[in-house]
Amino acid sequence: GENVEQHPSTLSVQEGDSAVIKCTYSDSASNYFPWYKQELGKGPQLIIDIRSNVGEKKDQRIAVTLNKTAKHFSLHITETQPEDSAVYFCAASSSSASKIIFGSGTRLSIRP
Amino acid sequence: NAGVMQNPRHLVRRRGQEARLRCSPMKGHSHVYWYRQLPEEGLKFMVYLQKENIIDESGMPKERFSAEFPKEGPSILRIQQVVRGDSAAYFCASSPGLAGVTGELFFGEGSRLTVL
Repeated sequence: GENVEQHPSTLSVQEGDSAVIKCTYSDSASNYFPWYKQELGKGPQLIIDIRSNVGEKKDQRIAVTLNKTAKHFSLHITETQPEDSAVYFCAASSSSASKIIFGSGTRLSIRP
Repeated sequence: NAGVMQNPRHLVRRRGQEARLRCSPMKGHSHVYWYRQLPEEGLKFMVYLQKENIIDESGMPKERFSAEFPKEGPSILRIQQVVRGDSAAYFCASSPGLAGVTGELFFGEGSRLTVL
């Protein structure tokens, strides 16, 4: 089955700097890669996703890149703000899969 | 538009008791997923259900855990004879179709189980 690994587990960046979180997946059939943000005491919420027919997707300060050959995808947050502090999860799934498999999470802290 | 509703938000049980966690999916969603989150850990898939059917329970422990999604009413995750290791946050998510096809999972705010 699919296995998703995520690094780093914790990340602290200065406000205004960029943050990068990296994930790898094992199942070459995976073609859907979402990213979720979980704030303290809340459920995860989708912030951006990418499908395997594109290599990059942007939404304001957030971008995701996908390298299918290397089975690697990343989340980039630019111009970080205090409200970006949260736990971020990458995930992977395929069209035929009955579940989305999540990485272990990255706790992002933004230093003022 | 109500989101995914989970209750109770917090539940305390003594070892050996039963825990029942309920999840009402978003309106129009017939696919429900349960995930478990241990403290400082990621989301582990437990079970995927459609109305009246368990589609994938590969992440569910073989003993003491069961799930259902009846034709009427919420999905229920039931844990019998709870042990301290069951203490975790249990999240329910719903989607209008197969998650890998339709995309986004909509999560509830979780039920936090504490076993004394």
